[in-house]
Amino acid sequence: EADIYQTPRYLVIGTGKKITLECSQTMGHDKMYWYQQDPGMELHLIHYSYGVNSTEKGDLSSESTVSRIRTEHFPLTLESARPSHTSQYLCASSGEGVFTDTQYFGPGTRLTVL
Amino acid sequence: KQEVTQIPAALSVPEGENLVLNCSFTDSAIYNLQWFRQDPGKGLTSLLLIQSSQREQTSGRLNASLDKSSGRSTLYIAASQPGDSATYLCAVTDSWGKLQFGAGTQVVVTP
Repeated sequence: EADIYQTPRYLVIGTGKKITLECSQTMGHDKMYWYQQDPGMELHLIHYSYGVNSTEKGDLSSESTVSRIRTEHFPLTLESARPSHTSQYLCASSGEGVFTDTQYFGPGTRLTVL
Repeated sequence: KQEVTQIPAALSVPEGENLVLNCSFTDSAIYNLQWFRQDPGKGLTSLLLIQSSQREQTSGRLNASLDKSSGRSTLYIAASQPGDSATYLCAVTDSWGKLQFGAGTQVVVTP
């Protein structure tokens, strides 16, 4: 079983608050990803990283930002949360090769912005 | 732009029947295809990964086929069990090394 962790699992906050969703993995994987998933809908990539100090925006536009200061840690930050940010956020990581590797997912953070 | 479609959106079968889940993609220039399982309130678990050069991959009761030229993959689950109830997602790795997901097939196996 993959060792990738996300906290918090559930978060309910008010509009305008700054929040950080944590993601960490203990597998030493270089590549990490953030996905957003609305209920019943497909996952969309919002950020990814190929290693320390590398961050890129994904296919779905997002007002969130990410950082990658350490290999094992890939936090996602919303400076001012809005109801439109209500969704599930899933973090993943992968290790070997550029295109051939399996992505391992964390349990997700379900965010509700009131 | 790659589009991944999964049919059916939902499926209910009695225990013991075989499951057949379909996935199609519009751009055949993929590097691999993965099948995932997602349980309610949880993350995704990788079931099978098929490289673009492979035709199928097997793990226990699961078998996945890939026909890259026609843009199709099928996941077979033999002798279904109630514990197989979940949403099954397929995803293709595109030319940028990123996953493109389908919307999933929600499976219910009744005892």
